Amino acid sequence: EPEVTQTPSHQVTQMGQEVILRCVPISNHLYFYWYRQILGQKVEFLVSFYNNEISEKSEIFDDQFSVERPDGSNFTLKIRSTKLEDSAMYFCASSESNQPQHFGDGTRLSIL
Amino acid sequence: AQSVSQHNHHVILSEAASLELGCNYSYGGTVNLFWYVQYPGQHLQLLLKYFSGDPLVKGIKGFEAEFIKSKFSFNLRKPSVQWSDTAEYFCACRYNQGGKLIFGQGTELSVKP
Repeated sequence: EPEVTQTPSHQVTQMGQEVILRCVPISNHLYFYWYRQILGQKVEFLVSFYNNEISEKSEIFDDQFSVERPDGSNFTLKIRSTKLEDSAMYFCASSESNQPQHFGDGTRLSIL
Repeated sequence: AQSVSQHNHHVILSEAASLELGCNYSYGGTVNLFWYVQYPGQHLQLLLKYFSGDPLVKGIKGFEAEFIKSKFSFNLRKPSVQWSDTAEYFCACRYNQGGKLIFGQGTELSVKP
């Protein structure tokens, strides 16, 4: 069964540094998403992406965050200047039109 | 604001016990409902979904859920749990095609052999 893949599995970064989280969605999917889960809290929506543009973003997704689909396969989340509170598990997901979302294994981001 | 709440934070059962995990969503419009499971060290996997039609939906691994519109609920059930069902279970909803998922806080299920 096709899978969403995320790299790296764990990223440790100094506060203030830029970080890029990478995702390869399922190849025929059209909708792409990023979520995050701070330890002990709910899975929270960050942003959705369709037709090469952001379709929806949450309040969390401020100017420090950006997403890109640089080629036909990758979908990246960039945090420009990381803060301690950005430490979380970040999940990428993809879906066809009205079908359920498929999730990757996540990237654990630790900000020091 | 749209929200999903799960009633149980941590449930501990013995093998062969019956399971019911509660889930309520806040908004009364057209909604798609999902249960995802996350086994230790693995990604979120879809257990079952409800879009329309028969409110009793069956998923993988013997799980089922019932959509009760009047109660805004979508409870997950399994008649007889196994040790391998130990995992975290997330209820989620979606209000539009291709839209974001709104998750509950998750329920950790521990099944004792």
